[in-house]
Amino acid sequence: GAVVSQHPSRVICKSGTSVKIECRSLDFQATTMFWYRQFPKQSLMLMATSNEGSKATYEQGVEKDKFLINHASLTLSTLTVTSAHPEDSSFYICSAPGTGEAFFGQGTRLTVV
Amino acid sequence: KNQVEQSPQSLIILEGKNCTLQCNYTVSPFSNLRWYKQDTGRGPVSLTIMTFSENTKSNGRYTATLDADTKQSSLHITASQLSDSASYICVVTPGTGGFKTIFGAGTRLFVKA
Repeated sequence: GAVVSQHPSRVICKSGTSVKIECRSLDFQATTMFWYRQFPKQSLMLMATSNEGSKATYEQGVEKDKFLINHASLTLSTLTVTSAHPEDSSFYICSAPGTGEAFFGQGTRLTVV
Repeated sequence: KNQVEQSPQSLIILEGKNCTLQCNYTVSPFSNLRWYKQDTGRGPVSLTIMTFSENTKSNGRYTATLDADTKQSSLHITASQLSDSASYICVVTPGTGGFKTIFGAGTRLFVKA
């Protein structure tokens, strides 16, 4: 089946630094990818829709200048958390639509200290 | 407002027992409904997907049912195993197109020996 690879799986960074998370579709092309955030014991919350070759679409309340999204190719989307703060600590997951369903990456556990 | 509600919030069962998880939704129009299993710290993995015209779909020990009239779905797990301990998420895709899905909060299942 289709595979979405997300990297890194875990990252710890200091407050004020930036962290980049990569999401790759390994055996199919994805013109659209979705980025989610999940706090403990809560459901996935859509942050933004990444579009290849154009600007990302952000959900209400998500700061586009803080969560930079780049969809450079048909198989790669990146999410950069800029000037990270402890409250940005969360589980970030990407997904890419395949034939008939969405495929999820393994997720990235971000801890900001 | 499009919503997906799951019950129970959490469930503890003994290994070998059966259980049923519920999902009620108010999404309209409706395209498809999916059940995902999410292990702690991992991305969701698809179990079943059903369109509005399907009533049941099985995947091994997992059987999903759908009643499009009452907007209810259930996931039945047979002969539970310790590895079934996870969060089970009901996901509904609106019929407006695209993959901007709506997630339920999930049911956390604990299977004990």
